[in-house]
Amino acid sequence: QLQLQASGPGLVKPSETLSLTCTVSGGSVSNTNYYWGWIRQPPGKGLEWIGSVYHTGSSYYNPSLKSRATISIDTSKNQYSLSLRSVTAADTALYYCARDSQRGTSDFWGQGTLVTVSS
Amino acid sequence: SYELTQPPSVSVSPGQTASITCSGDKLGGKYTCWYQQKPGQSPVLVIYENSKRPSGIPGRFSGSNSGNTATLTISGTQSTDEADYYCQAWDSTIHVVFGGGTKLTVL
Repeated sequence: QLQLQASGPGLVKPSETLSLTCTVSGGSVSNTNYYWGWIRQPPGKGLEWIGSVYHTGSSYYNPSLKSRATISIDTSKNQYSLSLRSVTAADTALYYCARDSQRGTSDFWGQGTLVTVSS
Repeated sequence: SYELTQPPSVSVSPGQTASITCSGDKLGGKYTCWYQQKPGQSPVLVIYENSKRPSGIPGRFSGSNSGNTATLTISGTQSTDEADYYCQAWDSTIHVVFGGGTKLTVL
């Protein structure tokens, strides 16, 4: 059974870099049918797409975050990662990792991990 | 940047039909999907590629997309359908965009 588990520090200081990893089990990030994505949700607010990565390392991003975000993939570890630079309080959110099937559909979501940006 | 607009809230009586709209410029030319999110839970895909239902999603959920509006319809709404619903659009230019979400109340 597919499982996606996001992990990383729950607290990040302003201006520093947020780093999260999504560990995939019950499936392979090398599967050519899927991209692997990150979505976030500030407390009490809606969903915001961050970006997605393919097993080749090819990635694409939300234009509003593109200058600060990097998504990478490690097929040997069956993981992919998000790095978000120069964070502010506005980056405080529940961060989800999700499997993306064709045409942008996130057909399977992990549980999400809360990241708070505060000094 | 591309924007999708959803009504903040929709109310429906049990057993009736709920319709949640999602509006965007030339949305009918893009692929849309819908997610259901209950409190404290991760979103669940309920409609993809405009009108397709994933396995395990009840037949009372249906979707359409034409012109500038996509619609999620829930027929015979049940109390268990009370949740937030998000539309999402995709094409090769905008990539992925979410709507602001609609809170469905069943009362």
